[in-house]
Amino acid sequence: GAGVSQSPRYKVAKRGQDVALRCDPISGHVSLFWYQQALGQGPEFLTYFQNEAQLDKSGLPSDRFFAERPEGSVSTLKIQRTQQEDSAVYLCASSLARWRGSSYEQYFGPGTRLTVT
Amino acid sequence: AQSVTQPDIHITVSEGASLELRCNYSYGATPYLFWYVQSPGQGLQLLLKYFSGDTLVQGIKGFEAEFKRSQSSFNLRKPSVHWSDAAEYFCAVSSNTGKLIFGQGTTLQVKP
Repeated sequence: GAGVSQSPRYKVAKRGQDVALRCDPISGHVSLFWYQQALGQGPEFLTYFQNEAQLDKSGLPSDRFFAERPEGSVSTLKIQRTQQEDSAVYLCASSLARWRGSSYEQYFGPGTRLTVT
Repeated sequence: AQSVTQPDIHITVSEGASLELRCNYSYGATPYLFWYVQSPGQGLQLLLKYFSGDTLVQGIKGFEAEFKRSQSSFNLRKPSVHWSDAAEYFCAVSSNTGKLIFGQGTTLQVKP
């Protein structure tokens, strides 16, 4: 079946522009995560949704970052007034169930590479 | 604070040789541990995971990992490396909310 998809795959923005990154999780997946991966680093957690509820946004680096999942499926990560330090790959992941249980697994999308010039 | 350390940033092995990638974690409770692989331009693919039970876990593509609580380690191994294994490997621990905390990653290069 279809995996997690993200769009666009590549985005170039001028400093100060707003951007919106989209994530389509696997159908029926309850949990959705956003991660930021800087060049040469491991992914870092940004925020987490369970259905439409944003349960954890502790990883969002500033109030310029905003995420939503209004109907509990597609999610959008918005970055306002982009800065050069926002350049990174933004990964989305979804999982079928709540996290506990040996069947738990997060399925990752291919990511959106954001370059701020 | 929860953290994951992958001491080796870059490893080169010859094709057919054995492989071990190191991972150390810091976590206050029972850890849930994962190894992911990332090929260039691709998302992360789960290789294996440890939740409980047998400390030696088998994964896809011939990989295995051993959980050692006394050493706070979860090292990834493969008996014989193939050229297609060249990629970036990430160890991760899950917090009690499900979010993953990743290490810095180890880049594996395979020599023919």
